[in-house]
Amino acid sequence: SQKIEQNSEALNIQEGKTATLTCNYTNYSPAYLQWYRQDPGRGPVFLLLIRENEKEKRKERLKVTFDTTLKQSLFHITASQPADSATYLCALDPQGGGFKTIFGAGTRLFVKA
Amino acid sequence: DTGVSQDPRHKITKRGQNVTFRCDPISEHNRLYWYRQTLGQGPEFLTYFQNEAQLEKSRLLSDRFSAERPKGSFSTLEIQRTEQGDSAMYLCASSRRTSGVNEQYFGPGTRLTVT
Repeated sequence: SQKIEQNSEALNIQEGKTATLTCNYTNYSPAYLQWYRQDPGRGPVFLLLIRENEKEKRKERLKVTFDTTLKQSLFHITASQPADSATYLCALDPQGGGFKTIFGAGTRLFVKA
Repeated sequence: DTGVSQDPRHKITKRGQNVTFRCDPISEHNRLYWYRQTLGQGPEFLTYFQNEAQLEKSRLLSDRFSAERPKGSFSTLEIQRTEQGDSAMYLCASSRRTSGVNEQYFGPGTRLTVT
């Protein structure tokens, strides 16, 4: 079956450290993968998109990697801050063309001051 | 504010009643999506519109669910004969196709509680 898996356990880290979140998928061959942030009671907010021919993408303190052989994406937040505490969702487009997006369940991140 | 808006933000209804939600996408976006999200889960795809055409529909969308986007602008999602299992957050998102990718902008959601 087709699945997207994110670590269901919350990730607790100390302020200033690097947070690393994992997204694994099976039986998909997506052309790109996206990461979103979601705060409680609000809709997701787009953060980064990485294409299959890109190994790494950066935006300020965020870094995403995409390994199509391992079928895995890693999402890093460097110099983490308490304001980074949220749920982070990975998402992919299984068919291409933008008709449908499948989301993982998300990983909750807590950054302690 | 030029973001995606949804109305109402909260809806409490009794089992068996019909409910309708509205989504106003970002004005220049031709793509519109509806999702359902329950606690601890990611958004679950329901349906997709490109302009006024409904091009994709999840098999999760039973006959009790219907969505429209009559003029390619705002969209409505109707749930008939609501059941307690329909209680969830209903999210709308819009996007503008750029180079085949699909960065979506989400609204704040409508939280439905069926009693």
